[in-house]
Amino acid sequence: QQPVQSPQAVILREGEDAVINCSSSKALYSVHWYRQKHGEAPVFLMILLKGGEQKGHEKISASFNEKKQQSSLYLTASQLSYSGTYFCGTDSTGNQFYFGTGTSLTVIP
Amino acid sequence: GAGVSQTPSNKVTEKGKYVELRCDPISGHTALYWYRQSLGQGPEFLIYFQGTGAADDSGLPNDRFFAVRPEGSVSTLKIQRTERGDSAVYLCASSLSISSPLHFGNGTRLTVT
Repeated sequence: QQPVQSPQAVILREGEDAVINCSSSKALYSVHWYRQKHGEAPVFLMILLKGGEQKGHEKISASFNEKKQQSSLYLTASQLSYSGTYFCGTDSTGNQFYFGTGTSLTVIP
Repeated sequence: GAGVSQTPSNKVTEKGKYVELRCDPISGHTALYWYRQSLGQGPEFLIYFQGTGAADDSGLPNDRFFAVRPEGSVSTLKIQRTERGDSAVYLCASSLSISSPLHFGNGTRLTVT
């Protein structure tokens, strides 16, 4: 039931772009994206709802393909502060909320 | 306003002992979740409360784990006969609904020796 993310890890230079993908085996009501820095709790970035509504962060965008049960997170012009582990979270039943396998992102100067 | 509060922040216990982990959610948040996170892994779903009732407890690993939320606010995760494999960071999150952002506490790091 855990969504699968790709890539597992990515290293970027400041200013470069990245795409993180999340894929589920179940039909989804919503997809969330969170970033977690080492030793800290996950922090909300964005929600994508079935039907196209999107709520989130102004510098980060995402897409949600309901038919393919996939979501992608787009990070443009990356900054050092973007470093961390990114998790997608999926709601397929209205009761359970599962986090993905995680993508470690490192931005270097 | 105040965020999600978890206590204690660290707990060291001996194998076989009983522990309680507390979560105080954001006021007004009816949805409350417990997750367990091991090093290098994503948060693992344990249980979801909507109000006072456990809407889904299918993630609890076995009957040594139990959680309550008697008044629809504070929740307690209870672990009986702790085992070394229970060592992890236990995260609590609350939200207005399952389609709203989850707000996480700083977690309780449980170490079973």
